Amino acid sequence: AQSVTQLDSHVSVSEGTPVLLRCNYSSSYSPSLFWYVQHPNKGLQLLLKYTSAATLVKGINGFEAEFKKSETSFHLTKPSAHMSDAAEYFCVVSPQGNQGGKLIFGQGTELSVKP
Amino acid sequence: KAGVTQTPRYLIKTRGQQVTLSCSPISGHRSVSWYQQTPGQGLQFLFEYFSETQRNKGNFPGRFSGRQFSNSRSEMNVSTLELGDSALYLCASNPGDGNTIYFGEGSWLTVV
Repeated sequence: AQSVTQLDSHVSVSEGTPVLLRCNYSSSYSPSLFWYVQHPNKGLQLLLKYTSAATLVKGINGFEAEFKKSETSFHLTKPSAHMSDAAEYFCVVSPQGNQGGKLIFGQGTELSVKP
Repeated sequence: KAGVTQTPRYLIKTRGQQVTLSCSPISGHRSVSWYQQTPGQGLQFLFEYFSETQRNKGNFPGRFSGRQFSNSRSEMNVSTLELGDSALYLCASNPGDGNTIYFGEGSWLTVV
């Protein structure tokens, strides 16, 4: 079965410093992986997705993630945090052969950004 | 292009009642899926509809049901509400290939 594990439930950074949100996946094949962000009382917004093309994926708002098969990781990074980045972030895997809307979510990482 | 629209945004129901939530997908999207989000269980997949047929189903009791209409709009229904059904219910749509999935802002259900 496919699954994702987000290694930190909460990350706190200062504005202007780098962000690293860690995610490991479990899958017997090359999965489709996503990062979504959820601001308070809002729905989910897609940040970026990996679908077996380039291993370094660039997303919106300066975020990027690198797919590392040898480490089964898909960590999310941003060079410089902004106050508006404070939100909850979800690492997500799409099951093999999924043609539709079934996604498996990690437990989420809450990102706090200090001034 | 309008996004995924969910109604109502907030509602309060009493134990034992039933509730119906509505979702209008992005124009042209034929797949609608539903998720439940709670602090304890996180985000869990309920079911997915594609061209009016249920294509995937999560591990929820039969009290949770859904349907999709010919215009791709979808509804989900929860019968005999329990306190534990209090959650944010999110709807998502995609063209049908699962490549990019867009979420609505959700319906907040409180069961008292």
